[in-house]
Amino acid sequence: NAGVMQNPRHLVRRRGQEARLRCSPMKGHSHVYWYRQLPEEGLKFMVYLQKENIIDESGMPKERFSAEFPKEGPSILRIQQVVRGDSAAYFCASSPRPRTYEQYFGPGTRLTVT
Amino acid sequence: AQTVTQSQPEMSVQEAETVTLSCTYDTSENNYYLFWYKQPPSRQMILVIRQEAYKQQNATENRFSVNFQKAAKSFSLKISDSQLGDTAMYFCAFMRGGRGAQKLVFGQGTRLTINP
Repeated sequence: NAGVMQNPRHLVRRRGQEARLRCSPMKGHSHVYWYRQLPEEGLKFMVYLQKENIIDESGMPKERFSAEFPKEGPSILRIQQVVRGDSAAYFCASSPRPRTYEQYFGPGTRLTVT
Repeated sequence: AQTVTQSQPEMSVQEAETVTLSCTYDTSENNYYLFWYKQPPSRQMILVIRQEAYKQQNATENRFSVNFQKAAKSFSLKISDSQLGDTAMYFCAFMRGGRGAQKLVFGQGTRLTINP
């Protein structure tokens, strides 16, 4: 059973470009969480999605960031007009159901904005 | 809002020694979970150990054990017989139980180095 997959593992974007980060949850998991890890810091929650629904986006920056988890395909975290401060590792975690402590993390995507 | 504090940015011990990493948290919830995650240089987040707040018994996983002091809101991790492969960042994390989004709240991390 494959684990949580994220791609790309490394992404380099120039300031002003768009970044798209993909997360494929574990088989049978329909709940996805995105976290951001700035350099030398812990992970910080961004958004929690179920298939076709955003459940909690309390950690998402108000502008330029969006997330989706369509009925088919991976979850996408989209960052428009990237700035240097967006450089970070972005982790996705999935769980099989709500109200469970089980979250399985992917390997992360390291975004570098030049 | 819940907060998690790790007061030791870095620690270093010799191989085979025992080391304890500290973590305190702040919450008004009564139903919650606490976790220790390991992040080696590969950056993969690996769950080390989990503790349910309603359980008085401290969790243990092989060489890893916790000291959970609910009244003091303290959750330390003890690593016995430390090994070179234990070298990593360690993060303490909190998750509210019950209904609602189950997001993890992480501390700032402790960088642990095991020396040969």
